[in-house]
Amino acid sequence: NAGVMQNPRHLVRRRGQEARLRCSPMKGHSHVYWYRQLPEEGLKFMVYLQKENIIDESGMPKERFSAEFPKEGPSILRIQQVVRGDSAAYFCASSSAGDGYGYTFGSGTRLTVV
Amino acid sequence: GQQVMQIPQYQHVQEGEDFTTYCNSSTTLSNIQWYKQRPGGHPVFLIQLVKSGEVKKQKRLTFQFGEAKKNSSLHITATQTTDVGTYFCARRGSTLGRLYFGRGTQLTVWP
Repeated sequence: NAGVMQNPRHLVRRRGQEARLRCSPMKGHSHVYWYRQLPEEGLKFMVYLQKENIIDESGMPKERFSAEFPKEGPSILRIQQVVRGDSAAYFCASSSAGDGYGYTFGSGTRLTVV
Repeated sequence: GQQVMQIPQYQHVQEGEDFTTYCNSSTTLSNIQWYKQRPGGHPVFLIQLVKSGEVKKQKRLTFQFGEAKKNSSLHITATQTTDVGTYFCARRGSTLGRLYFGRGTQLTVWP
């Protein structure tokens, strides 16, 4: 039973390029959350999605960032025109119910912008 | 706000010593969760506390939820090098499903 799958594990982008981060939730989980973590800092909420719906995107920057969770396929976090400040670890988590109980996190995508 | 404050930010102990991290909120919490993140790894869910004054144990780890449900602690007895990592507490937000994480306590254990 695979856990939450994120890919790629590491991603290097030049300033101005686009970054696409993928997350496949655990089997049976329909709630997906994206968090960003800067070095030696906590996890900052970005967006909460269910299939085909964005439930809460209040933690996501209004420009350049977007997220989706289509009916088929993984959830995608997309960052357009990346800047150095976007360098961070991006974690996806999933749960079976939207009550926040016991997130299962993926291994994360470490984004480096050069 | 809905943030939780965690102290200390860093803790260095000798193997065999005890360790405690504290999580505090200015408002009453419906529950509190604890996660562990190993260096270079991802957060792993440890436990959820719901009831006032609740105490739960997992081997050498003891989790407590305050009587007023505004604070929580994680205590590790006789630390081992495998305990190294960052311990986060998290509270549920007003949006169902969203969690607010503390900044974490980074534990280093010297052999």
